[in-house]
Amino acid sequence: DVVMTQSPLSLPVTLGQPASISCRSSQSLASSDGNTYLNWFQQRPGQSPRRLIYKVSNRDSGVPDRFSGSGSGTDFTLKISTVEAEDVGVYYCMQGTHWPPYTFGQGTRLEIK
Amino acid sequence: EVQLVESGGGLVQPGRSLRLSCTASGFNFGHYIMNWVRQAPGKGLEWVALIRSNSYGGTTEYAASVKGRFTISRDDSKNIAYLQMNGLKTEDTAVYYCSRDADGNLDYWGQGTLVTVSS
Repeated sequence: DVVMTQSPLSLPVTLGQPASISCRSSQSLASSDGNTYLNWFQQRPGQSPRRLIYKVSNRDSGVPDRFSGSGSGTDFTLKISTVEAEDVGVYYCMQGTHWPPYTFGQGTRLEIK
Repeated sequence: EVQLVESGGGLVQPGRSLRLSCTASGFNFGHYIMNWVRQAPGKGLEWVALIRSNSYGGTTEYAASVKGRFTISRDDSKNIAYLQMNGLKTEDTAVYYCSRDADGNLDYWGQGTLVTVSS
């Protein structure tokens, strides 16, 4: 199974400042169909997960443009350009290239300083 | 609007069974792979099972932790995906989410249903 490793696991950020989360996979997520199936999810307190980014860098509908995804191969990053209060929660990366199983990172808890 | 509503959770004793349902609306259910993902209290996300569309044989895949105990199925006439859970263990205690699979993976999620396995 592909192991997904996120860092940091805890991310205190000042409002209005940028934030960055790293996700590394134990093997390349480049698929033979030319896509790379790396997703990012946000889970606000008490809510279900919500997908923010799919295939590395594509924002889902309704996701603010302060969220961006990048990376390739085994190294990926989620960036928030300016953190807002509503961004508090846990962020997960997930790979969908080598399945089953789909595998998730451990989660990164973003909090406001 | 895409909606997924899980139901069927509750308190069950170890070794017993439970069936979860995921009722879908707002999209052509029969065209999509459906998944179940769970989250133990205070823990991260764990993929549990998926079922392909009947166009792809309705075949299934399972996480190693549930294989042989859980069965995923679907009724496209009712827009429902099921998760039959047998031989439940205390470590199966979690919120169970259903999720649609599209555009490179899990795009919509339900609100979840809590399963507590305890004597």
